[in-house]
Amino acid sequence: QQPVQSPQAVILREGEDAVINCSSSKALYSVHWYRQKHGEAPVFLMILLKGGEQKGHEKISASFNEKKQQSSLYLTASQLSYSGTYFCGTEGGPNSGYALNFGKGTSLLVTP
Amino acid sequence: DAGITQSPRHKVTETGTPVTLRCHQTENHRYMYWYRQDPGHGLRLIHYSYGVKDTDKGEVSDGYSVSRSKTEDFLLTLESATSSQTSVYFCAISGGRVTNYGYTFGSGTRLTVV
Repeated sequence: QQPVQSPQAVILREGEDAVINCSSSKALYSVHWYRQKHGEAPVFLMILLKGGEQKGHEKISASFNEKKQQSSLYLTASQLSYSGTYFCGTEGGPNSGYALNFGKGTSLLVTP
Repeated sequence: DAGITQSPRHKVTETGTPVTLRCHQTENHRYMYWYRQDPGHGLRLIHYSYGVKDTDKGEVSDGYSVSRSKTEDFLLTLESATSSQTSVYFCAISGGRVTNYGYTFGSGTRLTVV
């Protein structure tokens, strides 16, 4: 079952912040975040494992609330290079081959 | 760059014909996946493999079959292509815990069924 992402689209000015949310109706083993630029393959950003651990990647960080089955991606002081579509992926663990179910994506556009 | 290649990159085929897409990796990763990407739907899992000859279905597996006879190759076959299978197909690989569970995607195959 696909996780639900919100918002569907965001337009920012360079330097502004954004939050992208991801929620699931199923118990989660982990949450992944990927970014895809137009015409390219998705690229792995980070993974959050059970335990509410917050991870960071430059000015992009994320949190995972396993009780609520929710994750949020935080983009601070956005740069033009952050533009793209962000996908969260949720998986149930080794018994499912670590297979990910992806949300429908959040389109992010950063303008000068 | 991670060693994963998909072939062909583009294909146009007629309705009713069988089509096979190939995913080849040089990373010796255990896990391989096939997704399709359509506007408004994101990435949807078709099939995945957790080892040689070990495969399982994803959420949109109808009309597709897969085979993995070697660690490095994962084939996706459309048994009788239909227009609804026009899509961009992505293969992904993962080493599981070895690669911190992250996926590396191939460049994709754009398939058009006419």
